[in-house]
Amino acid sequence: NAGVTQTPKFQVLKTGQSMTLQCAQDMNHEYMSWYRQDPGMGLRLIHYSVGAGITDQGEVPNGYNVSRSTTEDFPLRLLSAAPSQTSVYFCASKGRGSSGNTIYFGEGSWLTVV
Amino acid sequence: RKEVEQDPGPFNVPEGATVAFNCTYSNSASQSFFWYRQDCRKEPKLLMSVYSSGNEDGRFTAQLNRASQYISLLIRDSKLSDSATYLCVVTLYNFNKFYFGSGTKLNVKP
Repeated sequence: NAGVTQTPKFQVLKTGQSMTLQCAQDMNHEYMSWYRQDPGMGLRLIHYSVGAGITDQGEVPNGYNVSRSTTEDFPLRLLSAAPSQTSVYFCASKGRGSSGNTIYFGEGSWLTVV
Repeated sequence: RKEVEQDPGPFNVPEGATVAFNCTYSNSASQSFFWYRQDCRKEPKLLMSVYSSGNEDGRFTAQLNRASQYISLLIRDSKLSDSATYLCVVTLYNFNKFYFGSGTKLNVKP
């Protein structure tokens, strides 16, 4: 009963380092996305994907890359970490179209960039 | 301008009270509306969808006013376990981009 699994849960990075947040879902959902959540800002969409091989930008894509080589996995890469990327990151997935309007979130990844 | 705006609260209410939250959205093309609940340091989870005619789920009632572009959530007979942050969510027709409000924090006191 895994749902959406993201790793790591906690990470501290130095400015300029790169890293990848992993996300996997076992619900055969076509849609996957990454959000960041900052105090007072709510969740903001970074990137999303509507299927394997297809990705698109959300509201705050700068500094992040994604790829979708399989239906199950949607990793988020920070190319050169900056303190402004300190945040909580949530991976999410949902089924197709209006019948899949429930978003399922992973448990979150707490990232600190120093 | 934010797509979705909410009063951050906190709303501090005693057990048994009735409390209501409002949320406004800026894009008149928004098609679907939801309330999510988020506990401290946890992921958001769907509380309920919001339908045009209004809908109820136990102690929770959601309303949509398209003309004024706001949605509301009413909680009756508040329980301690209702303490959480409530997120208003809207999406456009293709369900590819969900816009979240920053959340309204509810504290239910004994």
